[in-house]
Amino acid sequence: HSALTQPPSASGSLGQTVTISCTGTSSDVGRFNYVSWYQQYPGKAPKLMIYEVNKRPSGVPDRFSGSKSDNTASLSVSGLQAEDEADYYCCSYAGSNHWVFGTGTNVTVL
Amino acid sequence: QVRLVQSGPDVIQPGASVRVTCRTSGFTFSSPSSDVTWVRQAPGQGLEWVGWINPSSGYSTYAEKFQGRVTVTRDTHTNTAYMELTDLRSDDTAVYYCARVRGDYFDLWGQGTLVSVTP
Repeated sequence: HSALTQPPSASGSLGQTVTISCTGTSSDVGRFNYVSWYQQYPGKAPKLMIYEVNKRPSGVPDRFSGSKSDNTASLSVSGLQAEDEADYYCCSYAGSNHWVFGTGTNVTVL
Repeated sequence: QVRLVQSGPDVIQPGASVRVTCRTSGFTFSSPSSDVTWVRQAPGQGLEWVGWINPSSGYSTYAEKFQGRVTVTRDTHTNTAYMELTDLRSDDTAVYYCARVRGDYFDLWGQGTLVSVTP
């Protein structure tokens, strides 16, 4: 499985909404509703933000939401805050206990 | 408190092997819903899935890229997972993370272990 495709960067002003896409294939994103999203600050371990396309773990603000259509998943962050500035990675289950990550998107809050 | 604590940084010569340790606590290591996965991140690069293990059975899977060079094992007595990577090259220099797997996603991560491959 090749890495899922994400835009290298995205940006938005404080309070606005930014949406990040994650494009895979019919063998991963399109086949399973098992897309997760991770937030990572420089030098830190990733943190789970969304799982199974659109579910939020306890403690993750409802400003974060996920969706999927065919082979493309998306993460939206509404009401952008300064602390949302980070790298974001999507990840898809690819079957037979294999996973594939996205290329990563750096989000800048203007 | 649920934790995954990894071993410290390592400097390894090309061609050698490294074993990274991931000690878990606060959850049942060999329960059906608590597998362990390994992910790496080269300097300035993105996340890359390396491998997975079911601690209960010991069954493991690996990314095709690492097949033949990586082995993930576990010790159910000490609730510890291990990742060994052999025949190291300079492009294996990366931070290696372990994470708990909840079915299809990774909910808790270790702090990361920097492995530097240098002559």
